[in-house]
Amino acid sequence: DVKVTQSSRYLVKRTGEKVFLECVQDMDHENMFWYRQDPGLGLRLIYFSYDVKMKEKGDIPEGYSVSREKKERFSLILESASTNQTSMYLCASSGSDRGPTDTQYFGPGTRLTVL
Amino acid sequence: SQKIEQNSEALNIQEGKTATLTCNYTNYSPAYLQWYRQDPGRGPVFLLLIRENEKEKRKERLKVTFDTTLKQSLFHITASQPADSATYLCAPTSGGSYIPTFGRGTSLIVHP
Repeated sequence: DVKVTQSSRYLVKRTGEKVFLECVQDMDHENMFWYRQDPGLGLRLIYFSYDVKMKEKGDIPEGYSVSREKKERFSLILESASTNQTSMYLCASSGSDRGPTDTQYFGPGTRLTVL
Repeated sequence: SQKIEQNSEALNIQEGKTATLTCNYTNYSPAYLQWYRQDPGRGPVFLLLIRENEKEKRKERLKVTFDTTLKQSLFHITASQPADSATYLCAPTSGGSYIPTFGRGTSLIVHP
């Protein structure tokens, strides 16, 4: 079974703090993704990576950056947290084939509150 | 722009009945479409994938149909159980891409 783990289930930070969210997958997947999910807005893609050290902006990258130094690990960084970044953050990974069967496997999510 | 529509209102049904959830899309030509289940406070879990050249796919009590003419996918759960209560997300993927776009999901509530 694919396992995607996230460093924290719940996190509370203060405005202006630098925040790191870590994600690790154990299935040697090429692709990794960060989403945020807010009520009424659904899942929105922040950044994704298709290889080590490669990153691509998703739909809402502003205020975020990412790092992928190792294949199994993908980090989301909030350089200076703001209250509008309070959300559920979900990490996902998908297989080595970029073909039509790239099912996404999600982590349990991190609920981040910025005060 | 591309748009995915799922009923925002919760679907309430009695245990044992068939639940049918709808996913409509516009300005889109998905090569395949996935359905995911999401429980409160959890990440989505993959259920089924159907390709554009497939009309129907089944897995146990689940059935998905894909009508590229109507630009619609239907997701059915037969003999529904209270444990099926969750939010169901549809996620079409365009040809040439490997990244699905997720709908906002429909909440299903199965009453005992």
